[in-house]
Amino acid sequence: EVQLVESGGGLVQPGGSLRLSCSASGFSFSTYTMNWVRQAPGKGLEWVSSISGSSRTIYYADSVKGRFTISRDNAKNSLYLQMNSLRAEDTAVYYCARPDGPHFRYWGQGTLVTVSS
Amino acid sequence: EIVLTQSPGTLSLSPGERATLSCRASQGVSSPYLAWYQQRPGQAPRLLIYGASTRATGIPDRFSGSGSGTDFTLTISRLEPEDFAVYYCQQYGSFMYTFGQGTKLEIK
Repeated sequence: EVQLVESGGGLVQPGGSLRLSCSASGFSFSTYTMNWVRQAPGKGLEWVSSISGSSRTIYYADSVKGRFTISRDNAKNSLYLQMNSLRAEDTAVYYCARPDGPHFRYWGQGTLVTVSS
Repeated sequence: EIVLTQSPGTLSLSPGERATLSCRASQGVSSPYLAWYQQRPGQAPRLLIYGASTRATGIPDRFSGSGSGTDFTLTISRLEPEDFAVYYCQQYGSFMYTFGQGTKLEIK
């Protein structure tokens, strides 16, 4: 059974940093591109970033480019999102998601990031 | 960047009725790259339809997807109480994913 478990969310001040983690199990982690998708409170879904299985190919949404860094450790079956220079508009539930082709078949339960003073 | 616009924003129907949700793209979307999700309060999204019309594993056959190019539709033939939720369409292209803003399906 595929499982994705996010952690690392919390309250952070504007301009601060936070590192999210996603622990994966139930599939061959290193062979899959992995993604982060976020959802602001009461709002819709927004794709944030993706990273290929080898980490060679990385993409970011324009809204986070230059501030967020996606990475992975295939030996630990883990995905990360380093978030710097956080803004109020980054407040959201952050989901780890595994695509199956051009759609997301598997999602974690999400971790809440709140950026506020 | 392709923008997906969903309509209506909110749809009020009764159990047993038929629901028709629309997703319109600002540019043509290849059908294999169009998906639909259901999200219940406090839960992660759940994949319903991929490739515009293929039901995901375990999805009841009252859910169906159709369309091509710039116009796609999600139909729920007979609403069950558990179907009242928010629905999103999603497309993939140019190495990025975009979602529609969602349609909230509420009980009338």
